[in-house]
Amino acid sequence: GQSLEQPSEVTAVEGAIVQINCTYQTSGFYGLSWYQQHDGGAPTFLSYNALDGLEETGRFSSFLSRSDSYGYLLLQELQMKDSASYFCAVRTDSWGKLQFGAGTQVVVTP
Amino acid sequence: DADVTQTPRNRITKTGKRIMLECSQTKGHDRMYWYRQDPGLGLQLIYYSFDVKDINKGEISDGYSVSRQAQAKFSLSLESAIPNQTALYFCATSSGNEQYFGPGTRLTVT
Repeated sequence: GQSLEQPSEVTAVEGAIVQINCTYQTSGFYGLSWYQQHDGGAPTFLSYNALDGLEETGRFSSFLSRSDSYGYLLLQELQMKDSASYFCAVRTDSWGKLQFGAGTQVVVTP
Repeated sequence: DADVTQTPRNRITKTGKRIMLECSQTKGHDRMYWYRQDPGLGLQLIYYSFDVKDINKGEISDGYSVSRQAQAKFSLSLESAIPNQTALYFCATSSGNEQYFGPGTRLTVT
């Protein structure tokens, strides 16, 4: 079967670092994406990894290991506005179809 | 103006009614998607379209139908709504690795 596993919730204090892991098992793999969704809002794109390694974009970084079917999103210097749900999503074909994980709720406390 | 718009934003309907959710985009993308989101779950793909003449079923298409009226417009219909179709519905577009989501339609079926 197809599955994406990520933790359901992570809590951390402002200024801390949080790592959200994602392991996947899908019928096709072109790359791993991360999306952020604030309560009741639209998901917004954070990053995409097609190749192994670390991609850094400001305070957020994303990592992929294709051989381990594993990736993570690293949130540094946490801010209150980072409280949101974060979804990993596998691009499963050349046309850009995505399969989403269930999401990780990140709670940032003062 | 928003790149991806959805109407209505909220809708309450009764079991057995037919309802249409509409999506429009100004990004000029060929690819459009309809997703459903239930609490605590990720986004599940209902239907997707890679151009005006191309419509494909996603993971959970039963009970839904779609129409791609133009490159910019993609509508989702519930032929006979049932309570377990109560959910948050998102439309999205893409031309590459990033998907752009509309603000969502919150549908309640009583």
